[in-house]
Amino acid sequence: AQSVAQPEDQVNVAEGNPLTVKCTYSVSGNPYLFWYVQYPNRGLQFLLKYITGDNLVKGSYGFEAEFNKSQTSFHLKKPSALVSDSALYFCAVRVDGNNRLAFGKGNQVVVIP
Amino acid sequence: DAGVTQSPTHLIKTRGQQVTLRCSPKSGHDTVSWYQQALGQGPQFIFQYYEEEERQRGNFPDRFSGHQFPNYSSELNVNALLLGDSALYLCASGARTAGLYEQYFGPGTRLTVT
Repeated sequence: AQSVAQPEDQVNVAEGNPLTVKCTYSVSGNPYLFWYVQYPNRGLQFLLKYITGDNLVKGSYGFEAEFNKSQTSFHLKKPSALVSDSALYFCAVRVDGNNRLAFGKGNQVVVIP
Repeated sequence: DAGVTQSPTHLIKTRGQQVTLRCSPKSGHDTVSWYQQALGQGPQFIFQYYEEEERQRGNFPDRFSGHQFPNYSSELNVNALLLGDSALYLCASGARTAGLYEQYFGPGTRLTVT
């Protein structure tokens, strides 16, 4: 079954430092991978996706993600974190052709001023 | 352009009652999916509607049912509510002609069952 894992519960980073949120995947076939962000009491906001092509995917709000097939990873990155990046981040994988998504448990990111 | 909208924002129900949640997709989108997000968990797929039919269903009991209208809006109905149904219910819309690669989520409806 298609699935993703987010091994860390919380990521703490100082403002201005690089931010990395980890995600590994388990799929049969080519993976379609996504990152979403959720602010308190809000829905999910789409950040970026990997379908095919370049392994480095650029998304919204300065985020990017690196697809690594050999390590089955799709880590989310931002070169310089902002306090406003503090939120819950979800990695997701497409399960089927109807774009049904399977989500990880989420990572709480805390950016410390 | 309005994004995905959901109503109501919050809802409190008693065990055994029935509830209806509503979703209007983003303009140009024809497919609506519903997800349940329990506290501290990632969203779980409930079902997906396209052309007014349920196309796929996740591992949820028949107490969960839905409907899609000709204008693509959708409803999620939950009967015989249980305490465990307390969650944030998210609606996501996409365009099937665009491969559904990008789905846009609404703000959610927070359901509390007491």
